[in-house]
Amino acid sequence: GENVEQHPSTLSVQEGDSAVIKCTYSDSASNYFPWYKQELGKGPQLIIDIRSNVGEKKDQRIAVTLNKTAKHFSLHITETQPEDSAVYLCAASMFYFGTGTSLTVIP
Amino acid sequence: NAGVTQTPKFRILKIGQSMTLQCTQDMNHNYMYWYRQDPGMGLKLIYYSVGAGITDKGEVPNGYNVSRSTTEDFPLRLELAAPSQTSVYFCASHITTNTGELFFGEGSRLTVL
Repeated sequence: GENVEQHPSTLSVQEGDSAVIKCTYSDSASNYFPWYKQELGKGPQLIIDIRSNVGEKKDQRIAVTLNKTAKHFSLHITETQPEDSAVYLCAASMFYFGTGTSLTVIP
Repeated sequence: NAGVTQTPKFRILKIGQSMTLQCTQDMNHNYMYWYRQDPGMGLKLIYYSVGAGITDKGEVPNGYNVSRSTTEDFPLRLELAAPSQTSVYFCASHITTNTGELFFGEGSRLTVL
């Protein structure tokens, strides 16, 4: 089966700085890569996703890049704000999730 | 719309007891999933369903059973609870295409003592 690895497990940034979270996957047939934000005590919510026919996608302060050759994809958050503090989960399809990154934005 | 509703939110079980986690969605989604989330381990897929009457195993199905008699409901059954089943369980659904946004419930925290 697929194996999704996510790094780092924790990340602290100053407000206004950028944050980058990286995930790698093992199955070259995977073609859908969503990112979810999970606040404490809540279920995950989709923030952005990318399909394998696209290299980059942006939505305001959030962007995702995909390198199919290297089998990795990354989440980029610019101009971070305290409300960005949460756990971020990457996934390959609906079936395989990364282990999560706990992001803390320090005011 | 309520979205995806899970009950109960919290439950403590004794070893060997059985229980059912309920999941209902009102979005007419064909696809439904059950995941468990352990600290530092992300989400692991237990079972999923692509429509009423159809279920399939995910990555960690042992110790669990599911049924899908209607589009709306996807209950998860724990038989003979074990401490290893202590976890937070999430139900999710999405529309009919193979890819797309998963809508999650608020989770059910289960402790087996």
